[in-house]
Amino acid sequence: EVQLVQSGAEVKKSGESLKISCKGSGYSFPNYWIGWVRQMPGKGLEWMGIIYPGDSDTRYRPSFQGQVTISADKSNSTAYLQWKSLKASDTAMYYCARVRGLAASGFDSWGQGTPVTVSS
Amino acid sequence: QSVLTQPPSVSGAPGQRVTIPCTGSSSNIGTIYGVHWYQQLPGTAPKLLIYDNTNRPSGVPARFSGSKSGTSASLAITGLQAEDEADYYCQAYDTSLSASVFGGGTKLTVL
Repeated sequence: EVQLVQSGAEVKKSGESLKISCKGSGYSFPNYWIGWVRQMPGKGLEWMGIIYPGDSDTRYRPSFQGQVTISADKSNSTAYLQWKSLKASDTAMYYCARVRGLAASGFDSWGQGTPVTVSS
Repeated sequence: QSVLTQPPSVSGAPGQRVTIPCTGSSSNIGTIYGVHWYQQLPGTAPKLLIYDNTNRPSGVPARFSGSKSGTSASLAITGLQAEDEADYYCQAYDTSLSASVFGGGTKLTVL
């Protein structure tokens, strides 16, 4: 069974750094794109970017490029989403999800979400 | 403002059929890439309902179906049930952004 298990809730202050994780199991982690999706409070889903753990090929939506860093450790079957300096507007639920095929495909398995709260 | 446009809400009575449209452009839905649909129940992670325009993952009831024509796509739900009350999102790859995008989401209310 494919499972994505994300790290726990985070409460941070503006300007702090943060790295959240997503551990995959039940499938060949290096061979599937894995992505991150933001959902701000009461709002819709936003596609942030994806990474192919096999070769670390990474694609970002332009509005997130430079704001976050997506990485992966294929030896540990874990993907990461990182901020160098958080802003209050980063407060949201963050989901990781596996892409079912090519990079343009849909997400067929999702993590449980990591809530991030940033206070100013 | 989302690249893909969905109505904020739709509603229907139990047993009825509802459709949720998703309107895009020649750089996303109008390309060779497929449209995908998700259901998000309150307080839970989204779930893939339809992939590549018309395909249902195993376990998704046949009451859910998808279609695509030109720069628009739609999700149809027949035999509405109370448990279908949720938010629904479309997703497509946008060639001008070189990234995928979601619609703004549609809240389905079962009357």
